[in-house]
Amino acid sequence: SQQGEEDPQALSIQEGENATMNCSYKTSINNLQWYRQNSGRGLVHLILIRSNEREKHSGRLRVTLDTSKKSSSLLITASRAADTASYFCATDGTDKLIFGTGTRLQVFP
Amino acid sequence: NAGVMQNPRHLVRRRGQEARLRCSPMKGHSHVYWYRQLPEEGLKFMVYLQKENIIDESGMPKERFSAEFPKEGPSILRIQQVVRGDSAAYFCASSPRTAPYNSPLHFGNGTRLTVT
Repeated sequence: SQQGEEDPQALSIQEGENATMNCSYKTSINNLQWYRQNSGRGLVHLILIRSNEREKHSGRLRVTLDTSKKSSSLLITASRAADTASYFCATDGTDKLIFGTGTRLQVFP
Repeated sequence: NAGVMQNPRHLVRRRGQEARLRCSPMKGHSHVYWYRQLPEEGLKFMVYLQKENIIDESGMPKERFSAEFPKEGPSILRIQQVVRGDSAAYFCASSPRTAPYNSPLHFGNGTRLTVT
């Protein structure tokens, strides 16, 4: 299975701090995606990084990809209480996305 | 442009009954994926469909579960003779093309199935 594993499982920080989440996967990929899930809601796509890219930015989000280590990280800078959610990485399996186990982020005001 | 619509949002069934979960993909999307999520866990792939075709059902139990995406109308995930272990959130996602190939998925808000 190519399922990603996020680390840490849970993260609590204060508003204004940075949050870093890591994802490791098992086999080669074409791309890796990050999603966010608010409690009781569906997943929302955040960012996609291709296997030939090393870093990508979107607003306060920064994603890195190291294919030699089969790992990716998601950095949220200057976090806000509204960033409280679960974050999932997803890798491309045959014809489908395989999701990791997620990191639950709690941002305290 | 309406997003992915799932209904019902909540469904309660007694053991042995049937559950029907509906998903209308985003306009213009012909690829539909169903995932299942247990509390505090990630999403597990169940089935991938295109219009009138099941492409990959490797994540769907062989017994009691079936899925369809007809030419007209929503995609349906059907669970027959539900058991307590079927209690979970079921999410539908759509994309305009096969998801892994540089195309993100658009998710509905899920159907929360409770089996009593």
